[in-house]
Amino acid sequence: DAKTTQPNSMESNEEEPVHLPCNHSTISGTDYIHWYRQLPSQGPEYVIHGLTSNVNNRMASLAIAEDRKSSTLILHRATLRDAAVYYCIPYTGNQFYFGTGTSLTVIP
Amino acid sequence: GAVVSQHPSRVICKSGTSVKIECRSLDFQATTMFWYRQFPKQSLMLMATSNEGSKATYEQGVEKDKFLINHASLTLSTLTVTSAHPEDSSFYICSAISGDQPQHFGDGTRLSIL
Repeated sequence: DAKTTQPNSMESNEEEPVHLPCNHSTISGTDYIHWYRQLPSQGPEYVIHGLTSNVNNRMASLAIAEDRKSSTLILHRATLRDAAVYYCIPYTGNQFYFGTGTSLTVIP
Repeated sequence: GAVVSQHPSRVICKSGTSVKIECRSLDFQATTMFWYRQFPKQSLMLMATSNEGSKATYEQGVEKDKFLINHASLTLSTLTVTSAHPEDSSFYICSAISGDQPQHFGDGTRLSIL
């Protein structure tokens, strides 16, 4: 299983962009990179996923390095509701293994 | 969007009791469901993978006789914690997946064993 490394915590001011990095240097060629976030006392919520190309959706953008050994989740304008733990997960279509994630604090 | 419902959201019971948690996919048929456990301030730990009509696959270190999983239909999986003890107190979360779609998670069940 591909291992991931994320900062334990990050802070952002409200309405500013946030870049959440993830290293997944052992990722295999067929692993999609999924990002989920979890608010306190709730189940994880899907954010975005991609394979090689950068991806955009209404929640965020995902920038994937050319060698696929790292990726960055971009929240374009952080809101207080974006405060959560963010997980990046390489996924082959079998099991999901969560790492420790990044706890994002949004400062009003 | 896809919705996964988990019930109950919270349960408190005495030591030695067996507790059943239900996980339902409300608007899609789930080919696979997953069960996770999460202790305070820790990440989610995968317990088992469940496919409809077949036996669940348990992760290493998870006792299959302790955590019984039944996946009777494409929309329902249940986790039964048998003879629960205080160390089984945790946040249990299920998820469901269909084809190539992302996993959708339930809101979790907070289990407290007295």
